[in-house]
Amino acid sequence: NAGVTQTPKFRVLKTGQSMTLLCAQDMNHEYMYWYRQDPGMGLRLIHYSVGEGTTAKGEVPDGYNVSRLKKQNFLLGLESAAPSQTSVYFCASSYSGGGPKLFGPGTRLTVL
Amino acid sequence: ELKVEQNPLFLSMQEGKNYTIYCNYSTTSDRLYWYRQDPGKSLESLFVLLSNGAVKQEGRLMASLDTKARLSTLHITAAVHDLSATYFCAVEETSGSRLTFGEGTQLTVNP
Repeated sequence: NAGVTQTPKFRVLKTGQSMTLLCAQDMNHEYMYWYRQDPGMGLRLIHYSVGEGTTAKGEVPDGYNVSRLKKQNFLLGLESAAPSQTSVYFCASSYSGGGPKLFGPGTRLTVL
Repeated sequence: ELKVEQNPLFLSMQEGKNYTIYCNYSTTSDRLYWYRQDPGKSLESLFVLLSNGAVKQEGRLMASLDTKARLSTLHITAAVHDLSATYFCAVEETSGSRLTFGEGTQLTVNP
């Protein structure tokens, strides 16, 4: 099993550009999550999904959209990137609502 | 709004010493998680605490949960350099599946 994978690992955007981050898991997990990690602020939940076709807002959803068209994939989109979205993004997944158990390797995004 | 506070945020200790990291949270919850993160790496799950009085141990680390006090502790026994990392606690709100993380405790174990 590959576990949780994220694509890409690094990306540099200019303000106003758009991009999509892909998270994939091969463990048949129902729950998937997107977090961002900023220095001194721990991890903050952006959006999450409790199953295929469902999504919900987390703590800091503004400026992001998500989709869960397939159970194994959870996409995070930035329609118009802003410097405030410079961060490390982590995807995670779990079998149940008992919190994320397995984290992906992260995507380091810089918005200039 | 659930708030999770860890202390200390920075901890420098010598090998062989013992120390405790504290995690306080603001609302009712009976699920608490501890994670470890090495620099530039992802998060690794250490412990899952699912009830009041739960205690879990792995090597030199022991975690406990007191839901009445809304407090979890991560105790380090006879620290070694390999334990140097950032440790996060995270609390699950009982009403849903969201985890709220503390700011993290950056632990440095010096030879």
